[in-house]
Amino acid sequence: DGGITQSPKYLFRKEGQNVTLSCEQNLNHDAMYWYRQDPGQGLRLIYYSQIVNDFQKGDIAEGYSVSREKKESFPLTVTSAQKNPTAFYLCASSISVAKNIQYFGAGTRLSVL
Amino acid sequence: QKEVEQNSGPLSVPEGAIASLNCTYSDRGSQSFFWYRQYSGKSPELIMFIYSNGDKEDGRFTAQLNKASQYVSLLIRDSQPSDSATYLCAVKLARGSTLGRLYFGRGTQLTVWP
Repeated sequence: DGGITQSPKYLFRKEGQNVTLSCEQNLNHDAMYWYRQDPGQGLRLIYYSQIVNDFQKGDIAEGYSVSREKKESFPLTVTSAQKNPTAFYLCASSISVAKNIQYFGAGTRLSVL
Repeated sequence: QKEVEQNSGPLSVPEGAIASLNCTYSDRGSQSFFWYRQYSGKSPELIMFIYSNGDKEDGRFTAQLNKASQYVSLLIRDSQPSDSATYLCAVKLARGSTLGRLYFGRGTQLTVWP
């Protein structure tokens, strides 16, 4: 089955803790994206990557970090510097940034304990 | 002005009616336009994309693009209760270092009542 897999589905973070959200795709897509969605809000871009070993900050990168060591994987770390991390996190991918038809994973809901 | 704007709704239509969802964008050079459907608690699902002026039809869905007026719309014919969701408009703006990014509107909530 081709697609984008995000895990875990639900995640809880303690004060001062870093947590990592997983995103894996087997679509052979070059570009991958991380979005944050808050209730009643649109999608806000955190980071995106056009190709392996390259990534750019989006609109709300502060308090987050990413890596792109493999084409299939684009994990997002929510650091303790992100003071309001509770949100629905969505990973997406597209064949390329130029041909930017994005498909989404099922998402991870992050809450603070 | 936000890059992509949608009427947040809610939009309520009876079953069988045509639902019309609208989206305006700020960058005249924008090239690609997308409509996503998002059910409550779920992730967005791509419905349609359109690149050229005019209409594009896919089943009960029609996307309409007017680049001169900088708006794109989505028509849903014969609306069904299962169409009740939030519809997100996304635009690929063609400017500078953000080339290739999608900008999303906040979405329009649609309710189709039986």
